[in-house]
Amino acid sequence: NAGVTQTPKFRVLKTGQSMTLLCAQDMNHEYMYWYRQDPGMGLRLIHYSVGEGTTAKGEVPDGYNVSRLKKQNFLLGLESAAPSQTSVYFCASSYSPPGVSTDTQYFGPGTRLTVL
Amino acid sequence: AQSVAQPEDQVNVAEGNPLTVKCTYSVSGNPYLFWYVQYPNRGLQFLLKYITGDNLVKGSYGFEAEFNKSQTSFHLKKPSALVSDSALYFCAVRDPSYSGGYQKVTFGTGTKLQVIP
Repeated sequence: NAGVTQTPKFRVLKTGQSMTLLCAQDMNHEYMYWYRQDPGMGLRLIHYSVGEGTTAKGEVPDGYNVSRLKKQNFLLGLESAAPSQTSVYFCASSYSPPGVSTDTQYFGPGTRLTVL
Repeated sequence: AQSVAQPEDQVNVAEGNPLTVKCTYSVSGNPYLFWYVQYPNRGLQFLLKYITGDNLVKGSYGFEAEFNKSQTSFHLKKPSALVSDSALYFCAVRDPSYSGGYQKVTFGTGTKLQVIP
């Protein structure tokens, strides 16, 4: 049982390049989330999904797109990377829907992205 | 709007001594409160949460937290610190009464705990 995994662990991009971050979970969770972590700012929600085939915007969605074609995978795309997107990106999943008392999020190890 | 504050960027404590990591929150309703820990190069790991009931919540690795409604605080505590407790700790809050859509979790900025041997 691997939990939540993220690929890749590190990446360096040039401004304007594109890339996709992959998140996979083997816990059969319905709900998945993408966060970014920046110094002094805590974690901020980018996009989330409440089930296969669904996605929704979080707090800071601009410049990112997501897809949830399979229940176990949640992809985060950057179409045209900018230096402001330099960050550590975390994926998370949960069994219960947001707002339910049993909603505990399980996090992946993170992807460190640098945009030059 | 909900918010959470962790007033200390770093807390240093000697091994064996009690530790406290502070957290205060602001929500319009009754909060759900969480503590997560992040070890270097790892994702966040859930430690404990307060939903309702007893104000003292016990969690993983010997940690506990006390919910104080009058002071709007949820401080993380441990009676005897270990060197292996050194990590980044995040407090988080959710307002379960929010009905306008996704009930987001708001994270604090984190407190680095350094346990000195």
